[in-house]
Amino acid sequence: KNQVEQSPQSLIILEGKNCTLQCNYTVSPFSNLRWYKQDTGRGPVSLTIMTFSENTKSNGRYTATLDADTKQSSLHITASQLSDSASYICVVRQGGSYIPTFGRGTSLIVHP
Amino acid sequence: DSGVTQTPKHLITATGQRVTLRCSPRSGDLSVYWYQQSLDQGLQFLIQYYNGEERAKGNILERFSAQQFPDLHSELNLSSLELGDSALYFCASSAFWTSGQETQYFGPGTRLLVL
Repeated sequence: KNQVEQSPQSLIILEGKNCTLQCNYTVSPFSNLRWYKQDTGRGPVSLTIMTFSENTKSNGRYTATLDADTKQSSLHITASQLSDSASYICVVRQGGSYIPTFGRGTSLIVHP
Repeated sequence: DSGVTQTPKHLITATGQRVTLRCSPRSGDLSVYWYQQSLDQGLQFLIQYYNGEERAKGNILERFSAQQFPDLHSELNLSSLELGDSALYFCASSAFWTSGQETQYFGPGTRLLVL
């Protein structure tokens, strides 16, 4: 069964600190992996998307990595800001299928 | 603002009832997706339409149905509602439907509460 597991479930950090969120998946064959940011009560917003051949992609202070061999991805947030407080969701697309598999998300709280 | 609009924002109804959620995609987008987000299940893909035709179906119950109209807006119909249907329902749109790498733009969601 295709699964996407995210860790930690929740994370509290101080403003200005860095953090890394993890995503492990069993989806096969792999097509692409996307990270979303979802503010409370709002729709998700895409941060990055990576395909099999990509192992790093950045979007401002957000850097995603992908290791397709170990089926792991991480999202690194640098110099966190209060506005980074949100849920971060990892989504993996299976090759040959439209149906995406969602992780349960990591809830990040940034304290001043 | 993603450019995707959803109405209503909130909906409170009783078990056994039927409701219709409406979505207007971004201008020019041909593809519409529906998702359900509940506290215990997270985000789940329900169904996708492209230019009026159903393209992919996910974990959508038989009590639920959707359609995309010629003006490209979409409606999600939920019938015989149960308490467990209480959730946030998101609509998203994208320009095309190709390799699955297209960026989807999510609406603000409709919060459904079934009492």
